[in-house]
Amino acid sequence: AQKITQTQPGMFVQEKEAVTLDCTYDTSDQSYGLFWYKQPSSGEMIFLIYQGSYDEQNATEGRYSLNFQKARKSANLVISASQLGDSAMYFCAMREPGANNLFFGTGTRLTVIP
Amino acid sequence: SAVISQKPSRDICQRGTSLTIQCQVDSQVTMMFWYRQQPGQSLTLIATANQGSEATYESGFVIDKFPISRPNLTFSTLTVSNMSPEDSSIYLCSVELGSSPYEQYFGPGTRLTVT
Repeated sequence: AQKITQTQPGMFVQEKEAVTLDCTYDTSDQSYGLFWYKQPSSGEMIFLIYQGSYDEQNATEGRYSLNFQKARKSANLVISASQLGDSAMYFCAMREPGANNLFFGTGTRLTVIP
Repeated sequence: SAVISQKPSRDICQRGTSLTIQCQVDSQVTMMFWYRQQPGQSLTLIATANQGSEATYESGFVIDKFPISRPNLTFSTLTVSNMSPEDSSIYLCSVELGSSPYEQYFGPGTRLTVT
């Protein structure tokens, strides 16, 4: 089974509007970490935000926030006030205890429309 | 965070040849990872490289095809051997910073095209 599922291959958002990128995960562990990365066309992976499974508050980093719903095993990324520079691929990832690497979803391509 | 550089940034290679990709970090790190991202796909872990020990390879990746060196705590290389067009991918190294809870930072990637 897929550990990370991103069901939106592509999303469009109007500039200055907010957008939510969906991510669901599958794990039987109680302790895990969830990540979002941005990959522009240049190919680099830019770390955006992290949520620990025991964190009670939703993580926020500037215009990025993570809507963490543990019972539903979802970790959606919310980007507020979209900018043209936000156009990129966005990957959700998870790290489980005992595994040092990250498991990535298939990504969502976000396009911001002027 | 960490500053991670990779060389080369991109290359076009002929089938049957080999390419060595370098990853340099500006601080000492224990764990380094090599990922592959085939065109239009997500990232797949190739191997984990710890300094002073043999790299640990994921299922589907073997040392003969992807030999890895980790001579010190700031540097690693990945070689893609006997290349075929199927090896055309972006190869990314990443590091885990001990000071951050599970955060992993990525290098800029090496875009490889095999003809």
